[in-house]
Amino acid sequence: DTGVSQDPRHKITKRGQNVTFRCDPISEHNRLYWYRQTLGQGPEFLTYFQNEAQLEKSRLLSDRFSAERPKGSFSTLEIQRTEQGDSAMYLCASSFSPGLNYGYTFGSGTRLTVV
Amino acid sequence: QKEVEQNSGPLSVPEGAIASLNCTYSDRGSQSFFWYRQYSGKSPELIMSIYSNGDKEDGRFTAQLNKASQYVSLLIRDSQPSDSATYLCAVAGGTSYDKVIFGPGTSLSVIP
Repeated sequence: DTGVSQDPRHKITKRGQNVTFRCDPISEHNRLYWYRQTLGQGPEFLTYFQNEAQLEKSRLLSDRFSAERPKGSFSTLEIQRTEQGDSAMYLCASSFSPGLNYGYTFGSGTRLTVV
Repeated sequence: QKEVEQNSGPLSVPEGAIASLNCTYSDRGSQSFFWYRQYSGKSPELIMSIYSNGDKEDGRFTAQLNKASQYVSLLIRDSQPSDSATYLCAVAGGTSYDKVIFGPGTSLSVIP
């Protein structure tokens, strides 16, 4: 088990383009979380899945954002019509429910730059 | 009122000293409390978790929790330059239920 994997590590895109990020959680973890972190701030919760079910979405997640976790394995986060304000580090984390006793294991993150 | 508050720092301590990092939280129903360390350009790494009032020690790190005061702290003894990082306080449970809510982080610099 190599931990939580995220791809790509870095993404530069032009404003208005769509981008998609992938997260592969630790295999025995059934919960998967997406966070966004901007410079000087802590990670902000975006959404989370238990198995394939998306259980909660933050109000930060506008209609341009969508996340999926088909078959309860890897997850994708898509941002449509990117804006400069979307530039951030997108972090994926996984845990085993009830899992709070273990906290989160984060992936290395995907750094998005919108130009 | 923000859910998790920390002094942003930067906090500077000399090598070998004790670094004290503090955090307050607003949700009295919070049940789990974490400290994460984040090096510049890297993702957060869980270093301590605490669930009941009192102290929890792990090597040079001690986490302290006071639920009545809604206060969490992290002490780093014998601080090393390699401890220089941003420390994120995080809480879970209560109204946040299954997700972890992070504070803004405190930047620590250990001066050789």
